[in-house]
Amino acid sequence: QSVLTQPPSASGTPGQRVTISCSGSDSNIGYNYVYWYQQLPGTAPKLLIYKNNQRPSGVPDRFSGSKSGTSASLAISGLRSEDEADYYCATWDDSLSGRVFGGGTKVTVL
Amino acid sequence: EVQLLESGGGLVQPGGSLRLSCAASGFTFSSFALSWVRQAPGKGLEWVSSISGGGGATYYADSVKGRFVVSRDNSRNTLYVLMNSLRVEDTAVYYCAKDPLYDFWASGWFDPWGQGTLVTVSS
Repeated sequence: QSVLTQPPSASGTPGQRVTISCSGSDSNIGYNYVYWYQQLPGTAPKLLIYKNNQRPSGVPDRFSGSKSGTSASLAISGLRSEDEADYYCATWDDSLSGRVFGGGTKVTVL
Repeated sequence: EVQLLESGGGLVQPGGSLRLSCAASGFTFSSFALSWVRQAPGKGLEWVSSISGGGGATYYADSVKGRFVVSRDNSRNTLYVLMNSLRVEDTAVYYCAKDPLYDFWASGWFDPWGQGTLVTVSS
C-alpha cells in the first residue's frame, strides 16, 4: 500500500488532455514539494516535474504540475502516442523521514 | 553527460547477501547525494536508501533498515549497497539515482537514474 494515492490508470485519445491525481496528507504533500516521474515501457524512470510545477530542460510544456493542500496533479495536454507510460508522484514524508512514491498511473493513448 | 551504471544483480537464496555497485561519470561525484530505489516486478517504485556526498550520513527505508548498508567510494566514483538477510520480497530491479544536492534533503529529487540491475531472491 503506497503512502500516496494515484488512480491505477488513465486514458485519452491523441490531442486530448489527461490529468492524473496524487493524494497524500499533511505529513507528506501538505508541507513538501511534489515530483513526477515518467517511466516508459522497459526503461528507467525519468524526472518529469520537480518542485510542484517546474519542468527540467527537455521536458515538453505539454506536461504541467500543480499542488493544492494535500493533493497534486499532473496534466498532459495534447496527448501523444509517445506519452504512453507509467507516471509516479513522489514527495518527502516527515513521519517516515524519507521519500515516498505513489502507486503509479498507467496512461494509455487510445 | 551524467551516467549511472548499476551492476551486481543476480539470483540469491533467502537469507543470503549481495552487493550492488553503481559506477558514475559526468559530474563531481563527491558533491552529490546518491540513492537506491527499487521496483518489484510489475509494481511501483520504492525508495530504499541514500547517502550524502561525503558518505558521512546515510538514510534507510524501514523495510531495509538493519539489513542493508549503503556506502560510497569517492575515489572510484562508485556507490554501493550491501544487502544482507535477503528476503523474497526484496526481489526487484534496483536503480541508483543522483540527487541535486550534497545531502539527502526533503527538497531533493532523483535525477537521473541508472538503467537498473535485477535482484532475484528465491530458493
